[in-house]
Formats: sequence, structure tokens, C-alpha cells
Amino acid sequence: AQTVTQSQPEMSVQEAETVTLSCTYDTSESNYYLFWYKQPPSRQMILVIRQEAYKQQNATENRFSVNFQKAAKSFSLKISDSQLGDTAMYFCAFMKRQGGGTSYGKLTFGQGTILTVHP
Amino acid sequence: DTEVTQTPKHLVMGMTNKKSLKCEQHMGHRAMYWYKQKAKKPPELMFVYSYEKLSINESVPSRFSPECPNSSLLNLHLHALQPEDSALYLCASSSLMASDPEAFFGQGTRLTVV
Repeated sequence: AQTVTQSQPEMSVQEAETVTLSCTYDTSESNYYLFWYKQPPSRQMILVIRQEAYKQQNATENRFSVNFQKAAKSFSLKISDSQLGDTAMYFCAFMKRQGGGTSYGKLTFGQGTILTVHP
Repeated sequence: DTEVTQTPKHLVMGMTNKKSLKCEQHMGHRAMYWYKQKAKKPPELMFVYSYEKLSINESVPSRFSPECPNSSLLNLHLHALQPEDSALYLCASSSLMASDPEAFFGQGTRLTVV
């Protein structure tokens, strides 16, 4: 079984500054995906960024980037130039990659980090 | 169109009622999911359908009954619920391609059982 740990229940940052959210995971799988989702007060879970475990290059998506350390089983999210709209609960999530070129299945979520961006 | 639509957005039901939650996607995804989420907690997987067949049931009580009538629709039938079943119910969908694994979520149905 997989476990995902987010050790920061709450964080805050000033608008335009940079913040890093931490995530560690534990698995015996070698092929998997890692995701960061955000859930603003509107409730919808929105994909922020994904990382395939076999890729050494860290994923980036505009102001969002990850630091993926496979050996350390660490997957942190960096948000640059924070904006008020980034205020949300952020979840780190793990998904095992299925065989045969397909993938579906259980997303294992961390407990979440509530991020507040202050003006 | 990367939208998953859930109806209703809010639902209040008595413990003897029967109600259904509906979910629709038009992204051609062949995997669909139901998650339950309590306040300030992560979503918990309930069911997974792939190719309209139930592939994962996370030991969910029988008072929750999923149904996948076709590749675009997913229902969750509710009967004889308990107050502790009050939660946000999230539907999600994903492709079955290893190159495209991410799940897309709907806005959820806020369920209150009285």
C-alpha cells in the first residue's frame, strides 16, 4: 500500500512571493505518477501539475514547479509569484501506473495543506 | 471540453429517502470514479468504473449503489443513509491511456442527511 504525507497543515505567503509545499510518499512500486491538486473554496479539485516517476526532469507549469527526488521519495511544489487566487487547499497524490500501456485506479491523497495568500 | 458536471450541487435527504447523484463527462474518458470527502480531509475513493464495468469497490456499504449506464454517465444511488454519510461527493473521470493518467473532477454534490 502507498502512503502520502504532507507535513504542513497550513501555510501562508504574501502576494508575489514564493512558497514551497512539502510532500513525501512511501511505495514499493517503480512505475507511478505524482500529482498536485488544488481545491479552492469553490470545492472543485483542479489539477496543478503531474510528474511521471520515470522522468528525471522536474515538471513545470507556468508559476508552478516541482522538486521530484525519487530516491528520497519527496515531491515538493513551488509556487512562484503567488497570487490571491492561489488560496486553496493543496493535495499531493500518488497513482500507480498500470501495465499494458493503460492507467486508471486509486489516487492516494495526502492530508492536504491549506495555503493562504495575503495581499 | 475538460468538464465533469455533477448534479445536484446540494442535496438534503432524510434517512428513509432514496435519491441519486448524477455525473456526466464528454471527454471520451473510459474510467469514472466516485469519491467521498469530509470537511478539510482528502477525498476517499469509493468506486471505479472502467469501460462501464465496476472495477474497484472500496468496501462501500450497500446503501450506496453505483451505476454506469454508458461511457459518459455515472450515477450514485442513495438509500437509507445515515447522518455520518453527510459529505461532499466528488465524481471524476480519466482516460485509460498511460500517457494521460490525470483525473478530472466535478464540483461535487454537498449531501446532508437529516
